[in-house]
Amino acid sequence: GQQVMQIPQYQHVQEGEDFTTYCNSSTTLSNIQWYKQRPGGHPVFLIQLVKSGEVKKQKRLTFQFGEAKKNSSLHITATQTTDVGTYFCAGPRDDKIIFGKGTRLHILP
Amino acid sequence: NAGVTQTPKFQVLKTGQSMTLQCAQDMNHEYMSWYRQDPGMGLRLIHYSVGAGITDQGEVPNGYNVSRSTTEDFPLRLLSAAPSQTSVYFCASSYSRGLGTEAFFGQGTRLTVV
Repeated sequence: GQQVMQIPQYQHVQEGEDFTTYCNSSTTLSNIQWYKQRPGGHPVFLIQLVKSGEVKKQKRLTFQFGEAKKNSSLHITATQTTDVGTYFCAGPRDDKIIFGKGTRLHILP
Repeated sequence: NAGVTQTPKFQVLKTGQSMTLQCAQDMNHEYMSWYRQDPGMGLRLIHYSVGAGITDQGEVPNGYNVSRSTTEDFPLRLLSAAPSQTSVYFCASSYSRGLGTEAFFGQGTRLTVV
């Protein structure tokens, strides 16, 4: 069945460096969502992308949806300690929402 | 506005015991789901419901039962707890059938089976 693959699994960056996580699907997605989970917390919705080639920005976060609607990325510019956490992408499969395994971001001071 | 409420927050069970994890939402959402989160495994779907009276299996349903008698409540039952069910469980809800609407998560239940 359709899978949503996410890489890398872990990322350590120095504070101030950029960070990118990638999400790939084996099939075309009607939309893709991104969530953030702080350590010890629960996933919180960040954004949804629907259109082919769509790019959306939230302050230092840039989200892209691929032209073929099979891949997506989240890029954080100049990371801060508040960016620590795990970032998940999620895509629909039939009636279900399927999550990637997430990318855990560690910030080194 | 409570959103999605899960109880309990923490639970320790002995192998073979049964229990019910409660989940309630006050947003009149049609779609509710249960996920388990294990290190390195992300969020795996256990069961989901697209409306009252309708439930279906997710990716890892074995050992769990659900029911959806009302729109608000979606309890998850562990029939005979096993150490492999030690995990963090999240309940989530969204407005429609999960397609294109954001999911709201509960605070999670940390379950340990000894």
